[in-house]
Amino acid sequence: AQKVTQAQTEISVVEKEDVTLDCVYETRDTTYYLFWYKQPPSGELVFLIRRNSFDEQNEISGRYSWNFQKSTSSFNFTITASQVVDSAVYFCALSDFSGGYQKVTFGIGTKLQVIP
Amino acid sequence: EPEVTQTPSHQVTQMGQEVILRCVPISNHLYFYWYRQILGQKVEFLVSFYNNEISEKSEIFDDQFSVERPDGSNFTLKIRSTKLEDSAMYFCASSAPDSPWGETQYFGPGTRLLVL
Repeated sequence: AQKVTQAQTEISVVEKEDVTLDCVYETRDTTYYLFWYKQPPSGELVFLIRRNSFDEQNEISGRYSWNFQKSTSSFNFTITASQVVDSAVYFCALSDFSGGYQKVTFGIGTKLQVIP
Repeated sequence: EPEVTQTPSHQVTQMGQEVILRCVPISNHLYFYWYRQILGQKVEFLVSFYNNEISEKSEIFDDQFSVERPDGSNFTLKIRSTKLEDSAMYFCASSAPDSPWGETQYFGPGTRLLVL
């Protein structure tokens, strides 16, 4: 069965610090997709990134970067020079063949607080 | 930028009452989903819908729940007889037209349902 583990439930950092949010996933399938979503205090879910299992290249988008390592089943998310607006809950998620690719399995989320 | 919309944003109902949550997916999307998030917990898949029928559903999605696409734009979730434990944020999502296989699901802002 699919599983996504986000071991850090809450993280606090001071503005401008870098922070890494960890994500470890489990799947029996060789083809799967990984996602990160942001949930700000207003409650909506904002899509950040999608990565398929065949693409292990790391990705950078502005202050955000993602490190995908199949060998350790991890898909970690780093925010560089954090800002107060980054304060949110961040969810790592997975969809795979066993879940019909339609069911997205979410982790419990990591609540990030950036202190000014 | 196209987005998923949901109405109402908040709904309060009495236990045993029926509620209908409404969603307007992104216009050219063909795959639709409902998820729920009990306060402080992770986002959980309920159901996916394509071509006017359910394609996947979770164990949460029992006979009390139903989904419908009553016209060309709306997608609804009905809870027939609400229970206290149905209190949650309900998210609608839709994904790109080609296939659901690992496509990014874009989420609406959610409807917060409170059952008293």
